[in-house]
Amino acid sequence: GENVEQHPSTLSVQEGDSAVIKCTYSDSASNYFPWYKQELGKGPQLIIDIRSNVGEKKDQRIAVTLNKTAKHFSLHITETQPEDSAVYFCAASIRISNFGNEKLTFGTGTRLTIIP
Amino acid sequence: NAGVMQNPRHLVRRRGQEARLRCSPMKGHSHVYWYRQLPEEGLKFMVYLQKENIIDESGMPKERFSAEFPKEGPSILRIQQVVRGDSAAYFCASSPRRGSPYEQYFGPGTRLTVT
Repeated sequence: GENVEQHPSTLSVQEGDSAVIKCTYSDSASNYFPWYKQELGKGPQLIIDIRSNVGEKKDQRIAVTLNKTAKHFSLHITETQPEDSAVYFCAASIRISNFGNEKLTFGTGTRLTIIP
Repeated sequence: NAGVMQNPRHLVRRRGQEARLRCSPMKGHSHVYWYRQLPEEGLKFMVYLQKENIIDESGMPKERFSAEFPKEGPSILRIQQVVRGDSAAYFCASSPRRGSPYEQYFGPGTRLTVT
């Protein structure tokens, strides 16, 4: 099955600086890669995703890059703000048929702390 | 459009009791997924259901755990004879019908504590 590794496990960044979180996956058939933000006591919130036919996607201060050859993808947050402090999870998914969607395999999470 | 609803938000059970966790997907969503999250860990897939069908239960423990998604009403994750190791946060996610985007939207979770 799919295995997703995520690094680093903790990351502290000065407010205004950029943060980068990296993930690798094992199954070359994976074709969908979402990123979730989880705040304390809450459920994961989808913040950005990328499909395998795209190399990069950007949404305001957040961007995701995908390298299918190397089987890794990264989350980039620019101009970080205190409200960006949270745990971030990457995930990978395979859609194997038109019958329905497939399960997500999650990384172990990165605790991001923005230092004011 | 209301998001994914889960209840109860917190559930305390003694060892040996049963736990029932409920999940109402977003309106128009017919795919439901259950995930478990242990403290300081990522989410682990348990089961994927559509209305009246279990599509993939490869992440479910073989004993004591069951899930359903009836034609009417919420999806239910049932844990019989709970043990301390079942203490975790259980999250439900939903996604739209076949042919729709892959996004899964998560509920706020049910935090189960077994005493």
